[in-house]
Amino acid sequence: AQRVTQPEKLLSVFKGAPVELKCNYSYSGSPELFWYVQYSRQRLQLLLRHISRESIKGFTADLNKGETSFHLKKPFAQEEDSAMYYCALRDFGNEKLTFGTGTRLTIIP
Amino acid sequence: ETGVTQSPTHLIKTRGQQVTLRCSSQSGHNTVSWYQQALGQGPQFIFQYYREEENGRGNFPPRFSGLQFPNYSSELNVNALELDDSALYLCASSQNREETQYFGPGTRLLVL
Repeated sequence: AQRVTQPEKLLSVFKGAPVELKCNYSYSGSPELFWYVQYSRQRLQLLLRHISRESIKGFTADLNKGETSFHLKKPFAQEEDSAMYYCALRDFGNEKLTFGTGTRLTIIP
Repeated sequence: ETGVTQSPTHLIKTRGQQVTLRCSSQSGHNTVSWYQQALGQGPQFIFQYYREEENGRGNFPPRFSGLQFPNYSSELNVNALELDDSALYLCASSQNREETQYFGPGTRLLVL
């Protein structure tokens, strides 16, 4: 069964410091990985997906199949990055998104 | 372009009752997925509807059922409510089954 693990429930980082949100997955097929973000009082929205290989709002994430990880990184944290972040997995050709439990990121001014 | 909308925003029911939640998909989207998010957890996939047919189901009992209408809006029905059904119910629509899912604001259900 597919599984997504986000080991940190809470993460606090000073403004300007690097950010890394961890995501590990277990899946035997060809997964598609996503990061979703939920800002205060807003709905869940897609931040980035591994197949597009984009940098969104300064965030990047690389799929490491050897370590089964998809960590989210940003070199310099900004106050507006404070939010709840969810890592999610989907099998190619499948409809179901499997989410991790989320990490609440707080940027300290 | 209108985003995904859900109604009602909040709902209180008692154990054993039945509830219907509604979702209007984003313009141009033919696929709706439903998720349950318990407190402190990530969203859990309930099922997906594609062009009015159920297209996949998560690990939820049959008392969770759904419907999709010709305009691609959708309903989630839960019968014989249990206390553990208290959660935020999220609807997401997409242009097709495998495209990016856009989420609604959710309906918060409390079962007493």
